[in-house]
Amino acid sequence: EAGVVQSPRYKIIEKKQPVAFWCNPISGHNTLYWYRQNLGQGPELLIRYENEEAVDDSQLPKDRFSAERLKGVDSTLKIQPAELGDSAVYLCASSLRDRVNEQFFGPGTRLTVL
Amino acid sequence: QQPVQSPQAVILREGEDAVINCSSSKALYSVHWYRQKHGEAPVFLMILLKGGEQKGHEKISASFNEKKQQSSLYLTASQLSYSGTYFCGTPRGGTSYGKLTFGQGTILTVHP
Repeated sequence: EAGVVQSPRYKIIEKKQPVAFWCNPISGHNTLYWYRQNLGQGPELLIRYENEEAVDDSQLPKDRFSAERLKGVDSTLKIQPAELGDSAVYLCASSLRDRVNEQFFGPGTRLTVL
Repeated sequence: QQPVQSPQAVILREGEDAVINCSSSKALYSVHWYRQKHGEAPVFLMILLKGGEQKGHEKISASFNEKKQQSSLYLTASQLSYSGTYFCGTPRGGTSYGKLTFGQGTILTVHP
């Protein structure tokens, strides 16, 4: 069974540029999460989806961050414009609706903002 | 609020034991443990849902003391493959639901 797929794995951009990350969850997983992980820290939840509905986006900086999961499968996280402090690893995770506590993480996208 | 893990780092030789603690200032309804190897994604280890519950994964076990609002992860007869950063996660909002807040992590290094 394929795991959570993310792309790109690495991204280097200059500040004020836009950037987008893509995630394909494990087949059949209704719940999808986006996390941000700063160096030496634990993952921090940005947004959680149940199918195509964002059910928890309280931690998402909405002035520059946006996310979508239009068909309830793949998801995209966007930052526009990027700031130096956005440099981090962006992790996508998914879980089954009835086992939301066991989350399967993708390899992440390491973003560097110069 | 972020749970607090201790110690921040542990260095072991193969075969030695270690304990990693996770504590919260708020009531805990569940504790989730993940391990992340360098440059890789976090991997689920176990979840403890009830006070006093103990679980095991290989030679890694955990306990959950609801009254003390803490959980401990026990690594017995450590192997090289145990090296990595261990995170505990606790649900926000007073449920066992999926909105996890992770601790800062404990770096475990096992030497031959």
